[in-house]
This record gives sequence, structure tokens and C-alpha cells, in this order.
Amino acid sequence: SQELEQSPQSLIVQEGKNLTINCTSSKTLYGLYWYKQKYGEGLIFLMMLQKGGEEKSHEKITAKLDEKKQQSSLHITASQPSHAGIYLCGAEVAGNTGKLIFGQGTTLQVKP
Amino acid sequence: DGGITQSPKYLFRKEGQNVTLSCEQNLNHDAMYWYRQDPGQGLRLIYYSQIVNDFQKGDIAEGYSVSREKKESFPLTVTSAQKNPTAFYLCASSRSWQGTEAFFGQGTRLTVV
Repeated sequence: SQELEQSPQSLIVQEGKNLTINCTSSKTLYGLYWYKQKYGEGLIFLMMLQKGGEEKSHEKITAKLDEKKQQSSLHITASQPSHAGIYLCGAEVAGNTGKLIFGQGTTLQVKP
Repeated sequence: DGGITQSPKYLFRKEGQNVTLSCEQNLNHDAMYWYRQDPGQGLRLIYYSQIVNDFQKGDIAEGYSVSREKKESFPLTVTSAQKNPTAFYLCASSRSWQGTEAFFGQGTRLTVV
């Protein structure tokens, strides 16, 4: 079983639509990281969240960490074809010192 | 330019041979990580190192070995004991082992025939 569960696993949206990707853990998250990946390439860092209730935005992407620090969401507003790719959440989980683990990833397609 | 470099990008090996994947960083980062990525399974942690001369097993360490003799280098050896070695391998580093984002290399695609 995955310590970090991402949903949905894949998403197809029409250009201009909003979308949300979720990342959930049964344990407290000490650091939550969102990355984007193009197939066959390395991961590009998007945002880091550490405090309960924290919210960060970059261009049209907003990420939130809930108060309990067990769930994060990534929201894209007015999606564009350039947003297509694989989105992964990574985290340092309570009880696993030094381990940086990842969810299964969400594959996003944006139809023009 | 500072960064993390994996080489080679593509690697082919015959079954039964050991192979070593290179990972070098010039970011002066303490922590380094190795992940394996298979289709639809996200990243799975193989080994990680919080500081030079120290490393720990991740979730799927069987059939792999690492060393961390220098701060900037964290090579991964895929041994013949690894049952299904064909995969995309990603190396990452972070300034410290907690609370800082990790930077990733471009990956090595290993194919064992």
C-alpha cells in the first residue's frame, strides 16, 4: 500500500477548465512537495508546504496543506496545454526520518 | 552551472550483468536519493543518504547497492540479483535531509535484455 495516495490517477480536461489533484496520507506530513514531470524526464519542483493551513500560488497553480498536515491539494486554474504532464506529490512522513517518498502520480492531459 | 547530473541517459545491459548508474551533484547538498519509476507506479525509493559515508535502504533496496564516499557522488549498482531491473532511474539531492526541496537529475533509462 502507498503511504501517499494521489487522486485521480489520470485526468483529461478541456483547455480553460479548472482542476484539482489530491495527495493524502494517514500520517502527519512534515514537508509536502509538488513536482511536475514530462514523460521520460526528471522532476521539476513546483512548491513546498510545511505549515498546517499553508497555501502557496505560482502563476495559475495553487497548492494547499490542510490544518492536520495529512492532505494537500493542487489546483490549476484555466488550464492550458502547457500544464500537461505528470504531477507528483512527495513528502517527509512522520516516523520515517530522512525518507522522501512519493505518490503514484497524476497524469494530466489538456485538450485544446 | 550548479545541478545534478545522471549518466548515461540510456543504458543497455545483458541479463546477469551488474551495472552502475552515475549521479553527481555540485550543489553542495548533504542528502541524496535514488528512485525507480515504472509506468503507473510513481517513484519508489531505493536508497537514500543523509550525509557522506552514510546511507539507508529505502522501500525496494533488494538487488541494489550504493556508496557515498564523496559528498557529490552517489552511484547506484543494479546487481544480477534484481529480478526486474528494466526501469527509469532517478537521482535527487537536497540541501538537508528534512525540510528542503529535492532537485532531480534527468534520469537513466536502463534496459536489460
